[in-house]
Parts: sequence; structure tokens; C-alpha cells
Amino acid sequence: AQSVTQLDSQVPVFEEAPVELRCNYSSSVSVYLFWYVQYPNQGLQLLLKYLSGSTLVKGINGFEAEFNKSQTSFHLRKPSVHISDTAEYFCAVSDLGFGNEKLTFGTGTRLTIIP
Amino acid sequence: SQTIHQWPATLVQPVGSPLSLECTVEGTSNPNLYWYRQAAGRGLQLLFYSIGIDQISSEVPQNLSASRPQDRQFILSSKKLLLSDSGFYLCAWIGAPNTGELFFGEGSRLTVL
Repeated sequence: AQSVTQLDSQVPVFEEAPVELRCNYSSSVSVYLFWYVQYPNQGLQLLLKYLSGSTLVKGINGFEAEFNKSQTSFHLRKPSVHISDTAEYFCAVSDLGFGNEKLTFGTGTRLTIIP
Repeated sequence: SQTIHQWPATLVQPVGSPLSLECTVEGTSNPNLYWYRQAAGRGLQLLFYSIGIDQISSEVPQNLSASRPQDRQFILSSKKLLLSDSGFYLCAWIGAPNTGELFFGEGSRLTVL
């Protein structure tokens, strides 16, 4: 079984400051890793994903994440946040078992940008 | 292009009443479809997933059920709602095989009173 831990439920950050949202996962097999963003009263949309290759993954809206296999982490970063980044962010993991295409999500981190 | 629709967007129901939430996907065929529930502070919980018509897998025992009467239609139902069924329900489909990348609908917010 796989699991995802997002240690921070809420992260307040001043506008134009950098931010890191933490994500750790647990799985007995190799995994795919994802970050999704949810704006208020909307569904989720994909920010970025790691499937294979380079461990540094760049996504939309200036976000990036780094896959660290030894630390089983996939932290999300942005060097300078904007008011429009206020949203809830979910880390998710999917194992690579053929036909087992189910994502396990973390509990989410609410990012609040302070003007 | 592919789109996914959910309705109703908002629903307020009394305890003990039935429920039906619908989800349809356009622009693709034979998609894997999913129902997730999002409760406050608890992230997303996978409820059901389907790999084809009448092929439903349940992830969590509960008083909800799902059906897939057509290839691109996925329905979440309950015969008698509980207070604990309140939440934000999200339908999703998988964009490409073996990648785990999901595309979500806009969600249905259910309040049980």
C-alpha cells in the first residue's frame, strides 16, 4: 500500500517570497508523483508530475518539484509567489502496477499569500 | 478535446433521503473513471473506480454505490444519506494509460442536514 504525507496543513507566505510545500510518500514499489492545485470551489488541476528521468520537474505557473528517492520526498517550490497562487495544493502518488491506475492523495496544504 | 461534466454543482439534502450525482465525459472512449470525496481537512478519498461499463470497484465500505450504465457516464448514488456523507464529490478520468494523471470535473458539493 502507498501513502502520502503533507506535513503542513496551512502555509502563509508574503507576496514575492519563496515557498516550499513538503510532501513525503511511502510505497513498496516505484511510483509516479504528482502535485495538483485546487482553487476555491473547483476541481483539481495538474501542476506537475514526475514519471521518470530528471528528478527536477517544472510545471505550470512557475512551480517546480524535486524527486528525492532516498528521502522519499517530492517537495514543491516556487521562487516568488503571487496573490493568484492562493489555493490548496495536493501531493499524490500512483504506483506503477499495470492496470492499477489509482492515485493516493495527501491531506493537502492550504497556501495563503499575504499582500 | 476531452471534457468532464458533473451535476448538480450544489445539493442540500435531508438525512435519509436518496442521492444521485452524475458525471459524463466527452471526447474520449472507454475511459477509466473515478469518484473521490473531499471532506474538510481530510484530503481526497477514492470511493469508486471503473474500467468499463458495469465494472465498478469499491475502495471504501459505506452506504454509497456507483454505476456505469454507459461508457462515458458514471453515477454516484445512495438510498439513504447520512450526515457523514456531506462533502465535495469529484469525478475524474485518466488522461493516458499507466501514467496515473487524472483530469477532474468541477465537483458537486453535498450538504446533508
